[in-house]
Amino acid sequence: DAKTTQPPSMDCAEGRAANLPCNHSTISGNEYVYWYRQIHSQGPQYIIHGLKNNETNEMASLIITEDRKSSTLILPHATLRDTAVYYCIVRGGYNQGGKLIFGQGTELSVKP
Amino acid sequence: DAGITQSPRHKVTETGTPVTLRCHQTENHRYMYWYRQDPGHGLRLIHYSYGVKDTDKGEVSDGYSVSRSKTEDFLLTLESATSSQTSVYFCAISDGATEFFGPGTRLTVL
Repeated sequence: DAKTTQPPSMDCAEGRAANLPCNHSTISGNEYVYWYRQIHSQGPQYIIHGLKNNETNEMASLIITEDRKSSTLILPHATLRDTAVYYCIVRGGYNQGGKLIFGQGTELSVKP
Repeated sequence: DAGITQSPRHKVTETGTPVTLRCHQTENHRYMYWYRQDPGHGLRLIHYSYGVKDTDKGEVSDGYSVSRSKTEDFLLTLESATSSQTSVYFCAISDGATEFFGPGTRLTVL
């Protein structure tokens, strides 16, 4: 599974969009990009995942560059409850033995 | 939230004693996982299961064993607990596309 690089920390003003970057330059064609977050002492929470196309759900949007070497998670209107550590993970499919390998993530602080 | 429970939620034990943590799901998902989380290391995979009686090792499996005799239950056993196994343990389940995590078990080995 390819490695990812994320900034260790970011700040965002409440009500503004939070844009969290992730680099995954060694990603291979059959690997997905997953995003999870972990609010202090709770279990990680699934946010979104994608392969090639941009994805959107009720929580966030995932923008993947055309060469797939980087992606951005967008929280459109950040609230104080979005303060958490955000993990960008690249993994292969389950039929290829792909597993979630967590790095250090980005600690997002949403401020009033 | 996915139907995952972990028991116990907190446990304090002494070095050398056996400990079993239980993960129970109500989703009938095929895949189940055990992770541990420690400061400075993030989440690390201990063991996982592809189905009943079908398990495999993760990256930090030494000192741990697992069993899955029913789809809904995945047990993690520390045969002889050591202080280095003090950690927060998370169970996860997957439908083959996404993993969902339980609330965690905080284990302290004195």
